[in-house]
Amino acid sequence: SQQGEEDPQALSIQEGENATMNCSYKTSINNLQWYRQNSGRGLVHLILIRSNEREKHSGRLRVTLDTSKKSSSLLITASRAADTASYFCATENPRRGGADGLTFGKGTHLIIQP
Amino acid sequence: KAGVTQTPRYLIKTRGQQVTLSCSPISGHRSVSWYQQTPGQGLQFLFEYFSETQRNKGNFPGRFSGRQFSNSRSEMNVSTLELGDSALYLCASSPIAEGEEQYFGPGTRLTVT
Repeated sequence: SQQGEEDPQALSIQEGENATMNCSYKTSINNLQWYRQNSGRGLVHLILIRSNEREKHSGRLRVTLDTSKKSSSLLITASRAADTASYFCATENPRRGGADGLTFGKGTHLIIQP
Repeated sequence: KAGVTQTPRYLIKTRGQQVTLSCSPISGHRSVSWYQQTPGQGLQFLFEYFSETQRNKGNFPGRFSGRQFSNSRSEMNVSTLELGDSALYLCASSPIAEGEEQYFGPGTRLTVT
């Protein structure tokens, strides 16, 4: 089952602009992770934010987490054509018997126009 | 370090057949997870192995099974293939899995005809 829901489903911006993607989830989490996927290939890990963290940075990426609203956002600043990809949020839930592993959203497809 | 490798990269099988996919994790990683990705259902967790034991299992029928060897390499098997099993199967490894990022392989694209 899908836990995370990304918004928007698709986003097209000009190179150099900032891109913001949002993710909402339903149940409690241990951490939330963002991944990038280029054209049906493997996923690349971008950033992991733990449930007790509110903001994290990595290069041009900034992730926020609001556990009270069960939501996260990914900001990519100064976008480049190479950032064109699908972006997924994934939650790791507290373990119970038969845990779900990482639960992914359906992703945001980001297109950077040159 | 070499990344996660998956073989084969592409596979075409016929309904009713069975298939075995292989995954070699990053050296030193003991956890291997498998995911199925389809356009309709997105990315779904299949199962996770750690030190040759299945620790977690997703909501898939018993036709989907896996195992892990002492060198942490993992295989997943799908028996009695159905058209709906056509998907990209992704393997991911991590040192211990919980609370850590997953390193994904390039995937095996399975087409069932």
